[in-house]
Amino acid sequence: SQKIEQNSEALNIQEGKTATLTCNYTNYSPAYLQWYRQDPGRGPVFLLLIRENEKEKRKERLKVTFDTTLKQSLFHITASQPADSATYLCARSAGAGSYQLTFGKGTKLSVIP
Amino acid sequence: EPEVTQTPSHQVTQMGQEVILRCVPISNHLYFYWYRQILGQKVEFLVSFYNNEISEKSEIFDDQFSVERPDGSNFTLKIRSTKLEDSAMYFCASSSGTGLSPLHFGNGTRLTVT
Repeated sequence: SQKIEQNSEALNIQEGKTATLTCNYTNYSPAYLQWYRQDPGRGPVFLLLIRENEKEKRKERLKVTFDTTLKQSLFHITASQPADSATYLCARSAGAGSYQLTFGKGTKLSVIP
Repeated sequence: EPEVTQTPSHQVTQMGQEVILRCVPISNHLYFYWYRQILGQKVEFLVSFYNNEISEKSEIFDDQFSVERPDGSNFTLKIRSTKLEDSAMYFCASSSGTGLSPLHFGNGTRLTVT
């Protein structure tokens, strides 16, 4: 089965610094990876999608990279703010021809003022 | 911005009872999904639905589960005979397409089976 791992359960960072979250996957590279934000008691909210043939994608203070050699995606938040505190989820397609998403367990980011 | 709405936000039921969780997806979306998240665990796929039929389902989605789109706006998940281990947050999601289209999630129904 296609697995996705977010090895850091929690990350604390000082306001203004860059937060970097890691997502690793097994087996073959997915066609794309998606990143979501989840606040307590709420549903995930889509942030960014990066395709296999894209090395990097940016949206405002967010940046995602996709390294098929390392089988890894990095998610960066620059100039982090306390409002960025949330759990960030990485997701991949479950397999060839499947459109269901397999989610990682998430990394809980706390931005300390 | 259009959003996915789910009702009820909380549902408490006794083991063995039937529950129906309701969702109103975004109106122009064509693909509908149910995911669940047991407390402290990953978000897990249950089922996807397109063109009035199930397109994919996971091992979790056994004979006790069913989905329906009874009219042009609602999308429901029924659990026929609830078990304690069905206690979880159930999220409905919709998308305009598959693959590269992001999922839009509702805020979930917290189901507690006692």
